[in-house]
Amino acid sequence: AQKVTQAQTEISVVEKEDVTLDCVYETRDTTYYLFWYKQPPSGELVFLIRRNSFDEQNEISGRYSWNFQKSTSSFNFTITASQVVDSAVYFCALGYQKVTFGTGTKLQVIP
Amino acid sequence: SQTIHQWPATLVQPVGSPLSLECTVEGTSNPNLYWYRQAAGRGLQLLFYSVGIGQISSEVPQNLSASRPQDRQFILSSKKLLLSDSGFYLCAWSSDRGVTEQYFGPGTRLTVT
Repeated sequence: AQKVTQAQTEISVVEKEDVTLDCVYETRDTTYYLFWYKQPPSGELVFLIRRNSFDEQNEISGRYSWNFQKSTSSFNFTITASQVVDSAVYFCALGYQKVTFGTGTKLQVIP
Repeated sequence: SQTIHQWPATLVQPVGSPLSLECTVEGTSNPNLYWYRQAAGRGLQLLFYSVGIGQISSEVPQNLSASRPQDRQFILSSKKLLLSDSGFYLCAWSSDRGVTEQYFGPGTRLTVT
C-alpha cells in the first residue's frame, strides 16, 4: 500500500518569506513517481512537477524548488520569496497509473 | 492543446435523487480518465479510473458508478444520492503513453440536501 503524509495542515507566512512544504511517502515499489499539485481557491488542481524514483536531482523552477531524498522518503517543496498568489492548498502525490494524494497543506501568504 | 471540461459547476440535489456528472477531454486520444471526490477538509479520494472505452475500475464501493461511453467522455452517476455524497468532484486525465501527470478539470461542487 502507498501512503503520502503531509504533516503540515496549515502554514502562514508573511509575503517575501521562504516556506518549505514537507512530504513524506511510503511505498514498496522500486519504480514510482512523485508529484506536486497546487489547488488555488478556485478549486482546480494545477500540476507543478513530476519526479521519478531514479532521479534524485533537485529541481528549481523560478521561485519553486524541490528536494527529493530517497534515503528519507521525502519530496519537499520550497517557495522562495513567497507572494500572495502562492496562497493555496498544495498536494503531494505518489504513484504510477493510480496516484495516492496526501491530505494537503494550506498555505496562506499574508501581505 | 488539451482541455478538460466538467459540468455542471455547481449542483444542489435532494437526498434520493439521481446524479449525472459529465467530463469531456479535448485534444488527445485514448486518455486515462479519473474521478475523484474531495470532501470538506481537502483530501482527494480516487473513485474510478478508466484506461479505455467501457473499462472502469472502481476504487471505493459506494452508491456511485461511472461509465465511459466514448473515448473522451467520462460520466459519474448515482441512482439515489446520499447526504454523504456531498463534496467536490474532480475529473482528471492523463496520457496513455507511459507515466505522466494528471490534469484536472474545474470540478463540480455537489451539495446533497
